Amino acid sequence: DVKVTQSSRYLVKRTGEKVFLECVQDMDHENMFWYRQDPGLGLRLIYFSYDVKMKEKGDIPEGYSVSREKKERFSLILESASTNQTSMYLCASTSPGTGQTEAFFGQGTRLTVV
Amino acid sequence: EDKVVQSPLSLVVHEGDTVTLNCSYEVTNFRSLLWYKQEKKAPTFLFMLTSSGIEKKSGRLSSILDKKELFSILNITATQTGDSAVYLCAVYIQGAQKLVFGQGTRLTINP
Repeated sequence: DVKVTQSSRYLVKRTGEKVFLECVQDMDHENMFWYRQDPGLGLRLIYFSYDVKMKEKGDIPEGYSVSREKKERFSLILESASTNQTSMYLCASTSPGTGQTEAFFGQGTRLTVV
Repeated sequence: EDKVVQSPLSLVVHEGDTVTLNCSYEVTNFRSLLWYKQEKKAPTFLFMLTSSGIEKKSGRLSSILDKKELFSILNITATQTGDSAVYLCAVYIQGAQKLVFGQGTRLTINP
């Protein structure tokens, strides 16, 4: 079974803090994604990566950065958290090289910035 | 800009009804279309569609893709309260290798 694991289910952070969200997958998938999900807006792509040390901006990258130093791990960084970054964050991975374009998701991290 | 649009955004029906959820897309380089069901947690995979006109079926759920008109539908027959969820449609874009989601359809099944 493919497993995508996010480091925290719930996080509460203060405005201005630097926040790290970690995601690890165990299926040797090339592609990894970070989305945020807000009511009525679906999943919006923040950043994605198709290889180690490679990163691409998604639709809403402002206020975020990412790091992919190892194939299995993709980190999302909020440089200076703000209240409008309160959201559900979902990590996903795919393996298009093997035909697996369906994304496997982590359990989500609900981040509250106060 | 790559775009995936779902309709309706919200739907309330009675148990036993049949529902049809819509997903249209405009993307640069289509590879596949995916349907997910999301209850209170992470989305779970339902179908992947790559070819036009070939219906995918799983129990009471089925889906089909029209690559000429750029849309897909998800049908659920004989709905049950356990079908209540948000249904998400996504398109995988070749080349860019990114997965773009629609806004989702919130389906509520009343007993």
